[in-house]
Amino acid sequence: AQTVTQSQPEMSVQEAETVTLSCTYDTSENNYYLFWYKQPPSRQMILVIRQEAYKQQNATENRFSVNFQKAAKSFSLKISDSQLGDTAMYFCAFMTPIDGWSSNYQLIWGAGTKLIIKP
Amino acid sequence: NAGVTQTPKFQVLKTGQSMTLQCAQDMNHNSMYWYRQDPGMGLRLIYYSASEGTTDKGEVPNGYNVSRLNKREFSLRLESAAPSQTSVYFCASTLGASAKWNFGPGTRLLVL
Repeated sequence: AQTVTQSQPEMSVQEAETVTLSCTYDTSENNYYLFWYKQPPSRQMILVIRQEAYKQQNATENRFSVNFQKAAKSFSLKISDSQLGDTAMYFCAFMTPIDGWSSNYQLIWGAGTKLIIKP
Repeated sequence: NAGVTQTPKFQVLKTGQSMTLQCAQDMNHNSMYWYRQDPGMGLRLIYYSASEGTTDKGEVPNGYNVSRLNKREFSLRLESAAPSQTSVYFCASTLGASAKWNFGPGTRLLVL
């Protein structure tokens, strides 16, 4: 079974610090997409960053960057210069065919990490 | 362009009552999904629809039915609500393998 594991249920850092959220996954696919989503108290799912597995270069979006280690099946999210508005749940997910062979896709989700940025 | 919309935002049901959660998207996406989110767990797939007129079961379909009314709308029905269905429900849509997913704002459902 394809799974996503986020080993840190909760993390807390001071404003302006750097924090890294970990994610590991298990799949037999060779090409796939990986995602980090942010879920603030409003419940809206907000895409933070997306990585395509065949691209070796790590994706970056402003203060957010990933460390993608394909062989280790690891996909960590680094938030630099953390801000109070970064306080949220963060979910790691990967996109995979539903049936293993079809062109229908689904997202497999980790359990999430609650990130608290302290002033 | 409203993206993905869901109604209602919040609902309280008594055990055994029925209700339908509505979802609509205006991005001309083929694929639509219903997920549920429970505390301490990631989102889990209930049902999906790869195209108008087709629906298939996901990981946790028991107790639910769906209808893909047209390309825009995908509804989720609870025929006889149970406390175990207390959850937050998300509708999502995507255009095949594009890796661009859009999510609705969620429906919080409480079954007493």
